[in-house]
Amino acid sequence: NAGVTQTPKFRILKIGQSMTLQCTQDMNHNYMYWYRQDPGMGLKLIYYSVGAGITDKGEVPNGYNVSRSTTEDFPLRLELAAPSQTSVYFCASSRTGTVHNEQFFGPGTRLTVL
Amino acid sequence: AQTVTQSQPEMSVQEAETVTLSCTYDTSENNYYLFWYKQPPSRQMILVIRQEAYKQQNATENRFSVNFQKAAKSFSLKISDSQLGDTAMYFCAFMKGNTGNQFYFGTGTSLTVIP
Repeated sequence: NAGVTQTPKFRILKIGQSMTLQCTQDMNHNYMYWYRQDPGMGLKLIYYSVGAGITDKGEVPNGYNVSRSTTEDFPLRLELAAPSQTSVYFCASSRTGTVHNEQFFGPGTRLTVL
Repeated sequence: AQTVTQSQPEMSVQEAETVTLSCTYDTSENNYYLFWYKQPPSRQMILVIRQEAYKQQNATENRFSVNFQKAAKSFSLKISDSQLGDTAMYFCAFMKGNTGNQFYFGTGTSLTVIP
Protein backbone atom coordinates (compact mmCIF):
# COMPACT_ATOMS: atom_id res chain seq x y z
CA ASN A 1 0.00 0.00 0.00
CA ALA A 2 1.19 3.49 -0.82
CA GLY A 3 -0.95 4.90 2.01
CA VAL A 4 -1.86 8.56 1.57
CA THR A 5 -0.23 10.35 -1.34
CA GLN A 6 -0.31 14.07 -2.09
CA THR A 7 0.66 16.04 -5.15
CA PRO A 8 2.38 18.35 -5.73
CA LYS A 9 5.05 18.43 -3.02
CA PHE A 10 5.77 22.12 -3.56
CA ARG A 11 3.98 24.92 -5.38
CA ILE A 12 4.32 28.67 -5.71
CA LEU A 13 1.22 30.62 -6.70
CA LYS A 14 0.60 34.24 -7.51
CA ILE A 15 -2.15 36.11 -5.71
CA GLY A 16 -5.49 35.39 -7.35
CA GLN A 17 -4.42 32.16 -9.05
CA SER A 18 -6.26 28.90 -8.51
CA MET A 19 -5.02 25.39 -7.94
CA THR A 20 -6.07 21.97 -6.74
CA LEU A 21 -4.13 19.95 -4.21
CA GLN A 22 -4.54 16.26 -4.88
CA CYS A 23 -4.92 13.58 -2.22
CA THR A 24 -5.35 9.85 -2.78
CA GLN A 25 -5.48 6.94 -0.37
CA ASP A 26 -5.43 3.25 -1.23
CA MET A 27 -6.52 1.87 2.13
CA ASN A 28 -10.26 2.00 1.40
CA HIS A 29 -10.74 4.46 4.24
CA ASN A 30 -14.09 6.17 4.59
CA TYR A 31 -12.89 9.30 6.36
CA MET A 32 -10.56 11.84 4.81
CA TYR A 33 -9.30 15.17 6.10
CA TRP A 34 -7.46 18.29 4.99
CA TYR A 35 -5.31 20.21 7.46
CA ARG A 36 -3.08 23.23 7.14
CA GLN A 37 0.01 23.85 9.22
CA ASP A 38 1.26 27.40 9.47
CA PRO A 39 4.87 28.07 10.51
CA GLY A 40 5.42 27.31 14.19
CA MET A 41 1.85 26.16 14.65
CA GLY A 42 -0.08 22.94 14.95
CA LEU A 43 -2.45 21.55 12.35
CA LYS A 44 -5.86 23.06 11.79
CA LEU A 45 -8.70 21.18 10.13
CA ILE A 46 -9.97 22.73 6.89
CA TYR A 47 -12.50 20.20 5.60
CA TYR A 48 -13.31 16.57 6.14
CA SER A 49 -15.35 13.86 4.46
CA VAL A 50 -17.08 10.84 5.97
CA GLY A 51 -17.53 9.09 2.64
CA ALA A 52 -17.98 9.60 -1.07
CA GLY A 53 -20.36 12.47 -1.75
CA ILE A 54 -20.27 13.82 1.81
CA THR A 55 -18.10 16.70 2.98
CA ASP A 56 -18.22 19.17 5.84
CA LYS A 57 -16.35 22.20 7.12
CA GLY A 58 -13.66 22.07 9.74
CA GLU A 59 -12.16 24.87 11.80
CA VAL A 60 -10.73 27.02 8.95
CA PRO A 61 -12.70 26.39 5.71
CA ASN A 62 -12.76 29.91 4.24
CA GLY A 63 -11.06 30.21 0.87
CA TYR A 64 -11.19 26.47 0.14
CA ASN A 65 -13.48 23.96 -1.48
CA VAL A 66 -13.49 20.19 -1.54
CA SER A 67 -15.21 17.35 -3.31
CA ARG A 68 -15.32 13.60 -2.74
CA SER A 69 -16.55 11.78 -5.82
CA THR A 70 -14.71 8.55 -4.99
CA THR A 71 -13.57 6.82 -1.82
CA GLU A 72 -9.94 7.19 -2.86
CA ASP A 73 -9.69 10.86 -3.81
CA PHE A 74 -10.25 14.05 -1.82
CA PRO A 75 -8.96 17.10 -3.73
CA LEU A 76 -8.70 20.53 -2.09
CA ARG A 77 -9.37 23.55 -4.29
CA LEU A 78 -8.06 27.08 -3.77
CA GLU A 79 -10.00 29.45 -6.00
CA LEU A 80 -8.37 32.85 -5.41
CA ALA A 81 -5.04 32.32 -3.70
CA ALA A 82 -4.08 34.82 -1.01
CA PRO A 83 -0.82 35.23 0.93
CA SER A 84 -2.65 34.08 4.07
CA GLN A 85 -2.95 30.65 2.45
CA THR A 86 0.81 30.16 2.46
CA SER A 87 1.13 27.01 4.51
CA VAL A 88 1.88 23.30 4.48
CA TYR A 89 -1.19 21.25 3.66
CA PHE A 90 -1.69 17.74 4.96
CA CYS A 91 -4.23 15.21 3.84
CA ALA A 92 -5.16 12.35 6.17
CA SER A 93 -7.48 9.37 6.17
CA SER A 94 -8.94 6.93 8.66
CA ARG A 95 -11.11 3.84 8.37
CA THR A 96 -13.82 5.40 10.50
CA GLY A 97 -14.11 8.69 12.31
CA THR A 98 -13.63 7.28 15.75
CA VAL A 99 -10.51 7.63 17.79
CA HIS A 100 -9.91 3.90 17.62
CA ASN A 101 -8.94 4.25 14.02
CA GLU A 102 -5.67 6.05 13.53
CA GLN A 103 -5.46 8.91 11.09
CA PHE A 104 -2.80 8.28 8.46
CA PHE A 105 -1.17 11.40 7.07
CA GLY A 106 0.29 12.18 3.68
CA PRO A 107 3.72 13.83 3.33
CA GLY A 108 2.28 17.31 2.84
CA THR A 109 2.25 19.99 0.15
CA ARG A 110 4.19 23.19 0.78
CA LEU A 111 2.32 26.10 -0.82
CA THR A 112 3.63 29.64 -1.11
CA VAL A 113 1.43 32.48 -2.36
CA LEU A 114 3.29 35.58 -3.51
CA ALA B 1 -13.43 26.20 22.51
CA GLN B 2 -10.67 23.74 23.09
CA THR B 3 -7.06 24.87 23.43
CA VAL B 4 -3.87 22.85 23.58
CA THR B 5 -0.72 24.44 24.98
CA GLN B 6 2.84 23.23 24.62
CA SER B 7 5.05 25.59 26.56
CA GLN B 8 8.42 24.17 25.47
CA PRO B 9 9.21 25.28 21.88
CA GLU B 10 12.55 23.45 21.90
CA MET B 11 14.17 20.73 23.97
CA SER B 12 17.26 18.58 23.74
CA VAL B 13 18.33 15.34 25.37
CA GLN B 14 21.42 13.17 25.33
CA GLU B 15 21.12 9.87 23.57
CA ALA B 16 19.94 7.09 25.94
CA GLU B 17 18.62 9.62 28.46
CA THR B 18 14.99 10.33 29.36
CA VAL B 19 13.08 13.46 28.41
CA THR B 20 9.58 14.71 29.23
CA LEU B 21 7.54 16.96 26.95
CA SER B 22 4.74 18.99 28.51
CA CYS B 23 1.21 19.58 27.30
CA THR B 24 -1.80 21.20 28.92
CA TYR B 25 -5.26 21.58 27.51
CA ASP B 26 -8.46 23.35 28.31
CA THR B 27 -11.88 21.87 27.77
CA SER B 28 -15.26 21.57 29.36
CA GLU B 29 -15.83 18.19 27.73
CA ASN B 30 -15.87 14.93 29.65
CA ASN B 31 -15.49 12.64 26.67
CA TYR B 32 -12.26 13.27 24.84
CA TYR B 33 -9.00 11.74 23.73
CA LEU B 34 -5.42 12.94 23.78
CA PHE B 35 -2.60 12.16 21.40
CA TRP B 36 1.06 12.73 20.81
CA TYR B 37 2.17 12.92 17.19
CA LYS B 38 5.73 12.96 15.91
CA GLN B 39 6.71 14.95 12.83
CA PRO B 40 10.26 14.19 11.63
CA PRO B 41 11.98 16.32 8.97
CA SER B 42 10.15 14.30 6.33
CA ARG B 43 7.03 16.17 7.56
CA GLN B 44 5.08 12.91 7.86
CA MET B 45 2.81 12.96 10.91
CA ILE B 46 3.18 9.76 12.91
CA LEU B 47 1.01 8.74 15.84
CA VAL B 48 3.15 8.06 18.91
CA ILE B 49 0.60 7.38 21.62
CA ARG B 50 -3.02 8.06 22.58
CA GLN B 51 -4.94 8.25 25.81
CA GLU B 52 -8.64 7.91 26.46
CA ALA B 53 -9.79 10.48 29.04
CA TYR B 54 -12.05 7.95 30.75
CA LYS B 55 -9.10 5.68 31.48
CA GLN B 56 -7.12 6.38 34.62
CA GLN B 57 -4.24 4.17 33.58
CA ASN B 58 -1.50 5.97 31.70
CA ALA B 59 -0.88 4.75 28.16
CA THR B 60 2.48 3.25 27.23
CA GLU B 61 4.01 2.27 23.89
CA ASN B 62 7.45 0.76 24.24
CA ARG B 63 9.79 3.65 25.15
CA PHE B 64 6.97 6.18 25.14
CA SER B 65 4.64 6.77 28.06
CA VAL B 66 2.33 9.52 29.20
CA ASN B 67 1.50 11.12 32.51
CA PHE B 68 -2.17 11.96 32.26
CA GLN B 69 -3.49 14.21 35.03
CA LYS B 70 -7.15 14.77 34.21
CA ALA B 71 -7.93 17.19 37.02
CA ALA B 72 -4.94 19.32 36.15
CA LYS B 73 -5.63 18.93 32.41
CA SER B 74 -2.07 17.89 31.83
CA PHE B 75 -0.77 15.30 29.38
CA SER B 76 3.01 14.95 29.28
CA LEU B 77 5.03 12.57 27.12
CA LYS B 78 8.02 10.72 28.50
CA ILE B 79 10.57 9.28 26.11
CA SER B 80 12.94 6.79 27.69
CA ASP B 81 16.28 5.65 26.28
CA SER B 82 16.19 8.46 23.70
CA GLN B 83 17.43 7.54 20.23
CA LEU B 84 18.72 9.70 17.41
CA GLY B 85 15.62 8.79 15.41
CA ASP B 86 13.47 10.47 18.04
CA THR B 87 14.66 13.86 16.79
CA ALA B 88 11.48 15.52 15.50
CA MET B 89 8.68 17.95 16.24
CA TYR B 90 6.21 16.55 18.71
CA PHE B 91 2.61 17.70 18.72
CA CYS B 92 0.09 17.21 21.46
CA ALA B 93 -3.46 16.89 20.17
CA PHE B 94 -6.95 16.82 21.62
CA MET B 95 -9.95 15.12 20.08
CA LYS B 96 -13.38 16.13 21.29
CA GLY B 97 -15.77 13.27 21.74
CA ASN B 98 -15.24 10.23 19.63
CA THR B 99 -15.08 11.70 16.16
CA GLY B 100 -12.10 12.67 14.05
CA ASN B 101 -13.54 15.97 12.91
CA GLN B 102 -12.86 17.74 16.19
CA PHE B 103 -9.11 17.57 16.37
CA TYR B 104 -7.02 20.36 17.97
CA PHE B 105 -3.24 20.52 17.92
CA GLY B 106 -0.70 22.34 20.06
CA THR B 107 2.10 24.42 18.57
CA GLY B 108 4.68 21.67 18.94
CA THR B 109 7.97 21.00 20.71
CA SER B 110 11.13 20.54 18.68
CA LEU B 111 13.15 17.73 20.23
CA THR B 112 16.79 17.16 19.37
CA VAL B 113 18.57 14.02 20.53
CA ILE B 114 22.29 14.69 20.92
CA PRO B 115 24.71 11.84 20.22
